[in-house]
Amino acid sequence: NAGVTQTPKFQVLKTGQSMTLQCAQDMNHEYMSWYRQDPGMGLRLIHYSVGAGITDQGEVPNGYNVSRSTTEDFPLRLLSAAPSQTSVYFCASSYNQGRPQHFGDGTRLSIL
Amino acid sequence: LAKTTQPISMDSYEGQEVNITCSHNNIATNDYITWYQQFPSQGPRFIIQGYKTKVTNEVASLFIPADRKSSTLSLPRVSLSDTAVYYCLVGDPASGSARQLTFGSGTQLTVLP
Repeated sequence: NAGVTQTPKFQVLKTGQSMTLQCAQDMNHEYMSWYRQDPGMGLRLIHYSVGAGITDQGEVPNGYNVSRSTTEDFPLRLLSAAPSQTSVYFCASSYNQGRPQHFGDGTRLSIL
Repeated sequence: LAKTTQPISMDSYEGQEVNITCSHNNIATNDYITWYQQFPSQGPRFIIQGYKTKVTNEVASLFIPADRKSSTLSLPRVSLSDTAVYYCLVGDPASGSARQLTFGSGTQLTVLP
């Protein structure tokens, strides 16, 4: 039972590069979300999805895109990386938005 | 948007009971309250969830007063390994609507020997 799998675990980018952070879950959860966590701070919601084909913005969506073509996958795209996007990114899933969320191990992203 | 407020930090000693309170003044009728624990370099982990009165599991208890505008996570007899950040979150388990679900800043609990 893999739960929530995030890849890669670490990534270094140059300013202006684009990349996709992958998130997959094998629990058939409808609700998935992406958070970023900066040093010493709590989690801030970037984007979320209540089901395949449905996405919406969270607190800090600028500079990020998401799509939800399947129930299992919820990739996060950085369009043009900026140093301000250096952070740890967590993906989470749950049966629906009110049920306990299962988190991945995070992706540590550094942008130079 | 159900916003939560928690103390930034708390210290305790091994073997003591720790109570962390979360304020959620605009909680909606169907919202449940969920608490998470986060260790450094890990994703948050579910601890307990409840709607009203008291919920207890093998790890913690959750106390919710009648007005539901706050909740208290109680950790019995803490150990050094309970040092972590604790977050409370409110949301509707039965809702499929696209309402934001946000974490607050959390409470850093430090357990001292």
